[in-house]
Amino acid sequence: KAGVTQTPRYLIKTRGQQVTLSCSPISGHRSVSWYQQTPGQGLQFLFEYFSETQRNKGNFPGRFSGRQFSNSRSEMNVSTLELGDSALYLCASSNGGATDTQYFGPGTRLTVL
Amino acid sequence: GENVEQHPSTLSVQEGDSAVIKCTYSDSASNYFPWYKQELGKGPQLIIDIRSNVGEKKDQRIAVTLNKTAKHFSLHITETQPEDSAVYFCAASRGRGYSTLTFGKGTMLLVSP
Repeated sequence: KAGVTQTPRYLIKTRGQQVTLSCSPISGHRSVSWYQQTPGQGLQFLFEYFSETQRNKGNFPGRFSGRQFSNSRSEMNVSTLELGDSALYLCASSNGGATDTQYFGPGTRLTVL
Repeated sequence: GENVEQHPSTLSVQEGDSAVIKCTYSDSASNYFPWYKQELGKGPQLIIDIRSNVGEKKDQRIAVTLNKTAKHFSLHITETQPEDSAVYFCAASRGRGYSTLTFGKGTMLLVSP
């Protein structure tokens, strides 16, 4: 079974631009969660989607948004990029149950100049 | 919300020694505790997890213990090998309806030959 895939793997943007990241979950998984990883703050939860609905949201500004499609693929969007948005963005997929294992993708490294 | 503290932040051991990483959590409702290993350039990979109805779980050289009264859990790696060198993260989840992981800040484990 193929793992979680994320595209692109690397991105360089400038302040004020917007960016869209994509995540394809493991086949059959209906839940996709997004996390931001930085050296200072570690791994922080952004939001989770299950069956095309956002079930939970972390403490991030409204510039961070996401969606999920009927095939469970998910995208996250960051508008009006700031230097502090430079990070590794990870997505994780699971069956969506309370204690189901979350499997992570390799991440997208976003650099904002 | 949940808060997870992880110690130590760095750990250096000789090959063959044991390594112990400890985490404490704040939300007594948390009942799912996974441990992830992250190697350079990769996403976190689950190595072991424990649920609140179990006090200890072992998988070959890796074991996790959970003390719900004290709200702490630990990762034990025996007979360490150089390939165990990586960053290890503990996490906690309330596991009600959906799973949102709150991560510790990570422990960089270096195993010297």
